[in-house]
Amino acid sequence: DVKVTQSSRYLVKRTGEKVFLECVQDMDHENMFWYRQDPGLGLRLIYFSYDVKMKEKGDIPEGYSVSREKKERFSLILESASTNQTSMYLCASSPLLGAYEQYFGPGTRLTVT
Amino acid sequence: AQSVTQPDIHITVSEGASLELRCNYSYGATPYLFWYVQSPGQGLQLLLKYFSGDTLVQGIKGFEAEFKRSQSSFNLRKPSVHWSDAAEYFCAVAASTNAGKSTFGDGTTLTVKP
Repeated sequence: DVKVTQSSRYLVKRTGEKVFLECVQDMDHENMFWYRQDPGLGLRLIYFSYDVKMKEKGDIPEGYSVSREKKERFSLILESASTNQTSMYLCASSPLLGAYEQYFGPGTRLTVT
Repeated sequence: AQSVTQPDIHITVSEGASLELRCNYSYGATPYLFWYVQSPGQGLQLLLKYFSGDTLVQGIKGFEAEFKRSQSSFNLRKPSVHWSDAAEYFCAVAASTNAGKSTFGDGTTLTVKP
């Protein structure tokens, strides 16, 4: 079974802090994604990576950056956390070829106070 | 651009009753279609997928979905709902021309009455 893990299930940070969210997948997938999920807004893509050191902005990249130094690890960085970044963050991975199904981690509930 | 519409925000069914969740997509070529389920506080889990072949696909937990190209639909069905099926369900579409990125619907929340 594909396994996607996220470093924290719950995280509380203060405004202005630098926040790192880590995601690791064990299936050698090329593609990795970061989404945020908010009530009434569905899943919104923040960033997408299709290979090591390669990244592409999603629909809402402002205030976020990402890092992918190894194939299995994709990090989301909030350079200076703000209260409007309080959300559920979901990481996913998928193979480059095939049916493009995505495998999700359990999510990180981030609260910025 | 690809898009997905789930017309029903919230559906309530009685345990043991049949279920159909609607999904309509917009995409020019043959899409890759998915249904995912999300339990409260959890990530999404793939229920089933379609990308070619038989238009009726079987998934996990007794779910099935039918691809109807003429109606641009990919509705999810289950003949008899269990209380544990209460969750949020997302339909999604992907395309090889979009680097495999998926577009998700806004979700349908399923409540199961005892």
